[in-house]
Amino acid sequence: GDSVTQMEGPVTLSEEAFLTINCTYTATGYPSLFWYVQYPGEGLQLLLKATKADDKGSNKGFEATYRKETTSFHLEKGSVQVSDSAVYFCALTIDQGAQKLVFGQGTRLTINP
Amino acid sequence: GAVVSQHPSRVICKSGTSVKIECRSLDFQATTMFWYRQFPKKSLMLMATSNEGSKATYEQGVEKDKFLINHASLTLSTLTVTSAHPEDSSFYICSATPGGYEQYFGPGTRLTVT
Repeated sequence: GDSVTQMEGPVTLSEEAFLTINCTYTATGYPSLFWYVQYPGEGLQLLLKATKADDKGSNKGFEATYRKETTSFHLEKGSVQVSDSAVYFCALTIDQGAQKLVFGQGTRLTINP
Repeated sequence: GAVVSQHPSRVICKSGTSVKIECRSLDFQATTMFWYRQFPKKSLMLMATSNEGSKATYEQGVEKDKFLINHASLTLSTLTVTSAHPEDSSFYICSATPGGYEQYFGPGTRLTVT
């Protein structure tokens, strides 16, 4: 079945460090890929998305490129801030009509000043 | 905009009782709502998909008689955990969509069954 695997957390970085959170997927069709972020005490929010191979999603300084050849959608940010501390979820959907999301396990990110 | 609320945020109930969790879309009409369950350090697992005015579609392995879902209006869906047991203790999250690919998530409800 379809699945998403994220790098194990938690991840702790210093402010202004470079961030990479790895995400790989297995899907029978051609998925759309998403990164969601969950700040403390809040619901998940869509951070960025990519709907086809080689698409790059970007938002708030975060980027991820849909790599079909490696079945990956790694999240990157060049210089993290304390306010980026949150849990990040990689997800996919291949059923556009039903919009059913398959999530990775989440990666907790803590940024220290 | 696009705010989804859940109530309660935390609930403790005794084994054998039932508990209802509400999910509301505050500023849009939700054609579809989803219910997820999240275990500690695990991903969100989709439990069911509900469309207003029709029966929910449950994922494989989810007991529909235990997790009753009602989507009575375009802004409200409820999840009732019937005859709760300690193994039902979890974090339950709903999401709603007005259509299209984006889902808007509620903040979640922590259920503890004693």
